[in-house]
Amino acid sequence: DVQLVQSEAEVKKPGESLRISCQASGYTFNRYWIAWVRQMPGKGLEWMGIIYPDDSDTRYNPAFQGQVTISVDESLSTTYLHWSNLRVSDTAFYYCTRGHDADYWGQGTLVTVSS
Amino acid sequence: QTVVTQEPSLTVSPGGTVTLTCSSSTGPVTSDDFPNWYQQKPGQAPRALIYSTSTRHSWTPARFSGSLLGGRAALTLSGVQPEDEAAYYCLLHLGDTQLVFGGGTKLTVL
Repeated sequence: DVQLVQSEAEVKKPGESLRISCQASGYTFNRYWIAWVRQMPGKGLEWMGIIYPDDSDTRYNPAFQGQVTISVDESLSTTYLHWSNLRVSDTAFYYCTRGHDADYWGQGTLVTVSS
Repeated sequence: QTVVTQEPSLTVSPGGTVTLTCSSSTGPVTSDDFPNWYQQKPGQAPRALIYSTSTRHSWTPARFSGSLLGGRAALTLSGVQPEDEAAYYCLLHLGDTQLVFGGGTKLTVL
């Protein structure tokens, strides 16, 4: 069975850095793009960007370009979402999902940024 | 930035039929935009329902159907069940870096 398992919830302070993860199993990891989606509290879904594990080709929604970094470790079948300077406004659920069609989803990681 | 618009909320009676729509600020939605539909219940991750306009995933009940309707993508629920109460989101592929979700429709079954 295809599974995307995300890392646990995080509580951070403004200005700190953070990396959350998404580990895939049940399919050939390097043949499917992995995307990240943000959902702020009580709001809708926002597509952030996508990476192709085979060659690390990465595309970003312009709204998120420069704000986050998406990376991959093919040996661990794991994709990462990284912030170098968190803001209170980064507080949200973050989901990883498979492919441009987003057929399978991780369970979500809640990131809370508060002073 | 392209804006994708959905009805903010709809109400349907159990057993009834309801159509949710998804429109783009750039013009008519076509099959080249590969419309996708997702269901999200409170406290849960989204679940994919429909891809490429009208193709159901293997787990999607037959009462969910996708189509194009008057320049919009549409999701029709026939024979609505109480468990269909949820938020529904469309996703349009408008380019390599332009995959855009609609704002979502909160469907109430009453």
